[in-house]
Amino acid sequence: AQSVAQPEDQVNVAEGNPLTVKCTYSVSGNPYLFWYVQYPNRGLQFLLKYITGDNLVKGSYGFEAEFNKSQTSFHLKKPSALVSDSALYFCAVRDAYGGATNKLIFGTGTLLAVQP
Amino acid sequence: ETGVTQTPRHLVMGMTNKKSLKCEQHLGHNAMYWYKQSAKKPLELMFVYNFKEQTENNSVPSRFSPECPNSSHLFLHLHTLQPEDSALYLCASSQDPPGHYGYTFGSGTRLTVV
Repeated sequence: AQSVAQPEDQVNVAEGNPLTVKCTYSVSGNPYLFWYVQYPNRGLQFLLKYITGDNLVKGSYGFEAEFNKSQTSFHLKKPSALVSDSALYFCAVRDAYGGATNKLIFGTGTLLAVQP
Repeated sequence: ETGVTQTPRHLVMGMTNKKSLKCEQHLGHNAMYWYKQSAKKPLELMFVYNFKEQTENNSVPSRFSPECPNSSHLFLHLHTLQPEDSALYLCASSQDPPGHYGYTFGSGTRLTVV
């Protein structure tokens, strides 16, 4: 069965410092992995994805994520946080071979709070 | 704009009212989804439609009634709701299966039941 875990409900970081939001996953085959961001009273916005290729993927707003197959992780990172990065972040996964379970499975979300 | 439009953005309704939420996409997607997002709770998948056919209903109470007349439109009909149904209702669409592009979400409808 597919699953995804975001172990931290909230991450606090000072502006200008690097940030990491953690995500681990479980799929039976190869994963398709996604990060989404949600600002208050808005829908989820696509940030970046890993399908295949380089383990380090770059996305919108200076974010990047590293796919680590051995650790089944896909942590979201940014070298220097901005106050405007404060939002709710969701990791999502699906099995590349889909079939009956071709939905995206979402994590519970991590609230990122960047202090000025 | 993401290409998925939800109306209305905000809705306040009494427990005896009947109202409908609307979702529209013109991205050429053939799967559409309703999610409920309550404060401090995970996203809850409510319904899934593929090619206008309902393929998933996650034990949603009958006071929520979905309708998908075509692949571009999705409705959620509401009647005799409870205060605990107050939440942000999100619509999403995707290719079937989602493939390389995941889901595209609308901005949501903030529902308050009084």
